[in-house]
Amino acid sequence: AQSVTQLDSQVPVFEEAPVELRCNYSSSVSVYLFWYVQYPNQGLQLLLKYLSGSTLVKGINGFEAEFNKSQTSFHLRKPSVHISDTAEYFCAVSRAYTGGYQKVTFGTGTKLQVIP
Amino acid sequence: EAGVTQSPTHLIKTRGQQATLRCSPISGHTSVYWYQQALGLGLQFLLWYDEGEERNRGNFPPRFSGRQFPNYSSELNVNALELEDSALYLCASSLKGKGRYTEAFFGQGTRLTVV
Repeated sequence: AQSVTQLDSQVPVFEEAPVELRCNYSSSVSVYLFWYVQYPNQGLQLLLKYLSGSTLVKGINGFEAEFNKSQTSFHLRKPSVHISDTAEYFCAVSRAYTGGYQKVTFGTGTKLQVIP
Repeated sequence: EAGVTQSPTHLIKTRGQQATLRCSPISGHTSVYWYQQALGLGLQFLLWYDEGEERNRGNFPPRFSGRQFPNYSSELNVNALELEDSALYLCASSLKGKGRYTEAFFGQGTRLTVV
């Protein structure tokens, strides 16, 4: 079984400041890792994913994340946030090489509040 | 190309009633997933349908059920509604995985409120 921990339920940050949203996972097998964003009253949108290869993954809207196998982490970063980044962010993990999304485990989410 | 569409967007029911939620996947996608997003609990996997069959279900009671139609659209039914069923219900669709990664795309959800 796998699990995901998002350490911060809310992260306030000033506009144009950098931000890091933390995510740790546990799994005994190889994993895929994801970050999703959810804007108010919207569904989830995939920001980025790690499947294999380079541990630094770049996604949409200037976000990036680094897969650290030794620390079992997949923290999300952005060097300069914008008001429009205000949303809830979900980290997710699934067992690698399995088809389908039924085995994807989501974290409880981190609400990013960008302050003007 | 249309994305995943869910209806209705909002639904208010009283305790004990039944709720029916609908999902239309992206054209060509055969897999449909249902998730419950209750306040503070993240997304909990409910059901997975593929090619008309229920393939897997999460840790939810049998009063949560559904089906997938020949056109791959899907219905989620919640019987004997309880107050704690109030949540955002998200549907996602994907191509069939067959052991490889396939991206799932989410709809905007149905907000179910049980009073």
